[in-house]
Amino acid sequence: AQTVTQSQPEMSVQEAETVTLSCTYDTSESDYYLFWYKQPPSRQMILVIRQEAYKQQNATENRFSVNFQKAAKSFSLKISDSQLGDAAMYFCAYRRGNRDDKIIFGKGTRLHILP
Amino acid sequence: ETGVTQSPTHLIKTRGQQVTLRCSSQSGHNTVSWYQQALGQGPQFIFQYYREEENGRGNFPPRFSGLQFPNYSSELNVNALELDDSALYLCASSSPPGGDSGANVLTFGAGSRLTVL
Repeated sequence: AQTVTQSQPEMSVQEAETVTLSCTYDTSESDYYLFWYKQPPSRQMILVIRQEAYKQQNATENRFSVNFQKAAKSFSLKISDSQLGDAAMYFCAYRRGNRDDKIIFGKGTRLHILP
Repeated sequence: ETGVTQSPTHLIKTRGQQVTLRCSSQSGHNTVSWYQQALGQGPQFIFQYYREEENGRGNFPPRFSGLQFPNYSSELNVNALELDDSALYLCASSSPPGGDSGANVLTFGAGSRLTVL
């Protein structure tokens, strides 16, 4: 069975600094997708970034980038120039292939931004 | 383009009761998924509906059931409520399963917080 592990329950970063959130996963599949979702106090899950396993190039979205290490089954999220609005729960997530029905989420990392 | 809307936002029930949660999918999306998020945990997949039929189910008992309507909106029903059913229930809509990689991104609603006493 596939699993997603986030080993950092909470992290803090100074505003304008860079922070990296860790995630490891376990799967025997070769075709899969990895995601980082943000859940602010409003509770609505927002997709931050997505990585296709078959792509070697790390995905980037503005201040957000990932370090995808397929052999190590590691998928970390780097947030550059942290802003107060980045404060939220961040969930790493996995989906098998492009036709699968479910996403498997980690337990999340709560990110605090210090002014 | 309207997003995913869920109702009610909060509700309180007692053990043994039944509850119905509702979800309207984003315009253009015909697939709806439901997730349960217990306090301090990540969301767990309950089931998915596509073309008004269940299209996959997670590890939840049969007292969790759902419906999808012709307009793609959906209901989650939970019978015989237990204390452990207290959670945030998230609905997410997407384009049909399969297709190109961009077509299957989930759009989430803000959830329904259920408290079972």
